[in-house]
Amino acid sequence: EVQLVESGGGLVKPGGSLRLSCAASGFTFSSYSMNWVRQAPGKGLEWVSSISSSSSYIYYADSVKGRFTISRDNAKNSLYLQMNSLRAEDTAVYYCARDPNDERQPIDYWGQGTLVTVSS
Amino acid sequence: DIQMTQSPSSLSASVGDRVTITCRASQGIRNDLGWYQQKPGKAPKRLIYAASSLQSGVPSRFSGSGSGTEFTLTISSLQPEDFATYYCLQHNSYPPVFGGGTKVEIK
Repeated sequence: EVQLVESGGGLVKPGGSLRLSCAASGFTFSSYSMNWVRQAPGKGLEWVSSISSSSSYIYYADSVKGRFTISRDNAKNSLYLQMNSLRAEDTAVYYCARDPNDERQPIDYWGQGTLVTVSS
Repeated sequence: DIQMTQSPSSLSASVGDRVTITCRASQGIRNDLGWYQQKPGKAPKRLIYAASSLQSGVPSRFSGSGSGTEFTLTISSLQPEDFATYYCLQHNSYPPVFGGGTKVEIK
């Protein structure tokens, strides 16, 4: 069974930093591209960042480019999101999400999410 | 970037009703579109991929259609467990973009 478990969320002041983690199990993590998707309170879904299986390809939304860094450790079956220079508008539930090994298909599995609150 | 316009943003319907939700892409995306259901406090769940392929385990009352720029999600006979928010997602090119969502409420 595919499982994605996020951690690392919490309350942080504007301008602060936070590192999110996602522990993957139930599949060969090193073979799959992964994503971070966020959802502000009461709002819709917003894609944040993607990383290919070997970290060769990395993409960011314009809203986080230069502030967030996605990375992975295939030996530890883990995905990360380093978030710097946080703003109030970064407040959201952050989901770790898997891309299927099929370019014809979109995200298939999601974690339960971790809440990041940016507030003074 | 490709824009995804989803409509309506909300709708009220009764159990047994047929419901249709539409997503329009600002440029052609072939059939690189998925549909997701999200219930309050939960992660999204994929219903449809490749515009019209039903995810394993999803009831057959859900169906998707379309290609290019216009797509629809249809629930043929709304059930109590279907009251939720639905999102489309284009993955034809980066950045992936979600539609704004459609909240399906009980009439």
